[in-house]
Amino acid sequence: GENVEQHPSTLSVQEGDSAVIKCTYSDSASNYFPWYKQELGKGPQLIIDIRSNVGEKKDQRIAVTLNKTAKHFSLHITETQPEDSAVYFCAASYGTSYDKVIFGPGTSLSVIP
Amino acid sequence: EPEVTQTPSHQVTQMGQEVILRCVPISNHLYFYWYRQILGQKVEFLVSFYNNEISEKSEIFDDQFSVERPDGSNFTLKIRSTKLEDSAMYFCASSEQGESDTQYFGPGTRLTVL
Repeated sequence: GENVEQHPSTLSVQEGDSAVIKCTYSDSASNYFPWYKQELGKGPQLIIDIRSNVGEKKDQRIAVTLNKTAKHFSLHITETQPEDSAVYFCAASYGTSYDKVIFGPGTSLSVIP
Repeated sequence: EPEVTQTPSHQVTQMGQEVILRCVPISNHLYFYWYRQILGQKVEFLVSFYNNEISEKSEIFDDQFSVERPDGSNFTLKIRSTKLEDSAMYFCASSEQGESDTQYFGPGTRLTVL
């Protein structure tokens, strides 16, 4: 079945710097790639998503890129702020089972003031 | 902004007991999901539900688990005879449509099995 890998597992950046999280997926039929932010004690919250007919999407300080050929997608956060500190999960919809979202293992981002 | 709600926030139970976790999805959503997250691990899909039936389930969702939409607003997950390894955060999610539509997650129920 689908497998989503994510790197790095932990990331520490200075406030104002950029953060990049990279993911790969295995099922070439996957066509929906959401990113979730999880703060301590809360459920995952969608921050941005991208579909396979788009190569890049941007929303203010957050951007996501998708390379379907290489089965890679990445999250870019610019001008990081302390409130960006959280665990970030990439995910992929699973092949023909589009309502089944497979999560990556997560990246714990710390933004140092 | 509409949101998914879950109750209770924390449930403690003895091994072998039945538990029911409750969720109220966003009101105009038609697709419902349960996920679990064992402490420090990734979020894992359990089951999806549409039109009053299970549309997909994972290998985790065995005969001990069941889901139900008992009325027009609630969506429940029942674990018939809890095991120690069922201890986890359980998240409910809902989406307006299926097929890669955005899923919105609730805050979770922390289940502790003693």
